[in-house]
Amino acid sequence: QKEVEQNSGPLSVPEGAIASLNCTYSDRGSQSFFWYRQYSGKSPELIMFIYSNGDKEDGRFTAQLNKASQYVSLLIRDSQPSDSATYLCAVSGAGSYQLTFGKGTKLSVIP
Amino acid sequence: DAGITQSPRHKVTETGTPVTLRCHQTENHRYMYWYRQDPGHGLRLIHYSYGVKDTDKGEVSDGYSVSRSKTEDFLLTLESATSSQTSVYFCAIRASGTDGELFFGEGSRLTVL
Repeated sequence: QKEVEQNSGPLSVPEGAIASLNCTYSDRGSQSFFWYRQYSGKSPELIMFIYSNGDKEDGRFTAQLNKASQYVSLLIRDSQPSDSATYLCAVSGAGSYQLTFGKGTKLSVIP
Repeated sequence: DAGITQSPRHKVTETGTPVTLRCHQTENHRYMYWYRQDPGHGLRLIHYSYGVKDTDKGEVSDGYSVSRSKTEDFLLTLESATSSQTSVYFCAIRASGTDGELFFGEGSRLTVL
């Protein structure tokens, strides 16, 4: 069974710092990787996706992928209190139309 | 806005009663999904559909059935609700021509007493 692992947290960072969220996956054939943000009581919303090894930047967010280590991360620069949420990592395999989600990491940005 | 509407948004029911949750989309997407989200378990796939009358099971399908008679509607049915099915249920769509990402509805909170 495909597994996606995340530290549950909570991860606390001061405002303005870099938050680093990590995710590992078990299926070496996984090809697409997604990060979602979920505020309490709300639905998940897509932040970023990445397919190729290396870094992908979008504003204050950077996704990093290392397929050899089966590891994907999300960096949030200049963290703001509004970034406080649970971050979900999701993975899909080649030719798959399903996403497998991790349990999420709760991030708290302290003013 | 992915044009997804879930109904009802909140429901309280009793053990043994049937329950149907509805997911409605306005943009003619082929793929639709039902997930449940529980503390300590994250999001888990119940069933998904890849077209009208085409459905398949996810990892936690026991006790659930689905139907898709029209492109825009994907129904999730609990034939006889149990307390273990108390959860938040999310419908999602995979937008055509995208890179595989899913977009979620606002969720339906179900409590089975």
